[in-house]
Amino acid sequence: DAKTTQPPSMDCAEGRAANLPCNHSTISGNEYVYWYRQIHSQGPQYIIHGLKNNETNEMASLIITEDRKSSTLILPHATLRDTAVYYCIVAGNTPLVFGKGTRLSVIA
Amino acid sequence: EPEVTQTPSHQVTQMGQEVILRCVPISNHLYFYWYRQILGQKVEFLVSFYNNEISEKSEIFDDQFSVERPDGSNFTLKIRSTKLEDSAMYFCARAITSGTQYFGPGTRLTVL
Repeated sequence: DAKTTQPPSMDCAEGRAANLPCNHSTISGNEYVYWYRQIHSQGPQYIIHGLKNNETNEMASLIITEDRKSSTLILPHATLRDTAVYYCIVAGNTPLVFGKGTRLSVIA
Repeated sequence: EPEVTQTPSHQVTQMGQEVILRCVPISNHLYFYWYRQILGQKVEFLVSFYNNEISEKSEIFDDQFSVERPDGSNFTLKIRSTKLEDSAMYFCARAITSGTQYFGPGTRLTVL
């Protein structure tokens, strides 16, 4: 089973920041936090990952709390194309275990 | 983003028939994976392949499944005797490190 808890759905206005929360209170010291998304029936798409420091790339920012028990994925300026299911996954050197994720709907 | 190509995009087969799904990673990565997603359900891990050997497999990956990399490039998933419940999207993924995986577009398998 997935080691993360995410809200089932969220809405975000186009152009605004989308903040997607994730709880992972049982994360181990060697496990990373990964975020993927799946648009419709396409293959999951890697977004970002981190261990304990905040991370930023061209797609998103990842904020991990100091105790590493939760994190937030931030899409700074959401567009309609960001409508997707977003998965927060905790993994070490193990296969990815997908949960149900958060269905983000970006609204015009 | 590194690409993964999967063929065919859609495969229709009769129950009991064998199917082979193919994955062609574009660049040289060492880790390969197969996942499946039954319609409306979660993405499920099937098997991981590292250095031309199975490194890990799930309970789903039973004796009817096999994987190989026959020509050092293509990565195949074979289902020996398909069942109705094998109908799903099958995704291949590859990685340099195990967590950052790049997925293909998937093969939709329909078993009749």
